[in-house]
Amino acid sequence: EIVMTQSPATLSVSPGEGATLSCRASQSLSGNLAWYQQKPGQAPRLLIYGASTRASGISARFSGSGSGTEFTLTLSSLQSEDFAVYYCQQYGSWPLTFGGGTKVEIK
Amino acid sequence: EVQLVESGGGLIQPGGSLRLSCAASGFGVNDNYLNWVRQSPGKGVEWVSIIYGGGSTQYADSVKGRFTISRDSSKNTVFLQMNSLRAEDTAVYYCVRALTGIYFQNWGHGTLVTVSS
Repeated sequence: EIVMTQSPATLSVSPGEGATLSCRASQSLSGNLAWYQQKPGQAPRLLIYGASTRASGISARFSGSGSGTEFTLTLSSLQSEDFAVYYCQQYGSWPLTFGGGTKVEIK
Repeated sequence: EVQLVESGGGLIQPGGSLRLSCAASGFGVNDNYLNWVRQSPGKGVEWVSIIYGGGSTQYADSVKGRFTISRDSSKNTVFLQMNSLRAEDTAVYYCVRALTGIYFQNWGHGTLVTVSS
């Protein structure tokens, strides 16, 4: 099973600033990585797939990069609606696995 | 518009059974990859099972032999039959439509399953 490790666990950011979230895989994924955003009381929402392709309707403030075992989600100019928990998920190998999440909170 | 609506969750004693339903609209369950994904405070987000368009299925090791995924195309509904439930199965269960590559495009609102005596 591929273990996904996200860091940091919590990130405190002021509105308007940017943030960088990391996701590391225990084995190479090629580009088979997705990112999700989850707000309290809601289901996760797909942001990025293929490590860097934004899902339909997702703001250009969200960008993904990386390959192999190291991946990054970059949030630029954070808006109030961006404060949430972010998860990465690998689909390069079965079973599909998620990271533990990074909470982006208001500083 | 794609919609997924789960039902069937509730409080169940350890060792009991429960069947979750997921009513889909906006697409056909026979033509897509439908999954169950669960989320609990202790174990985070965990993929549980998938049923492919052709009908084949896969399960996480933690539920293999206890859970069964199926579908009824006449009702455009996917099911998760959960037997021999354990406390560690307590979670919100989401029905999720995946696209090729198995990333999760559309999520239902979730249904809470609590396994406790």
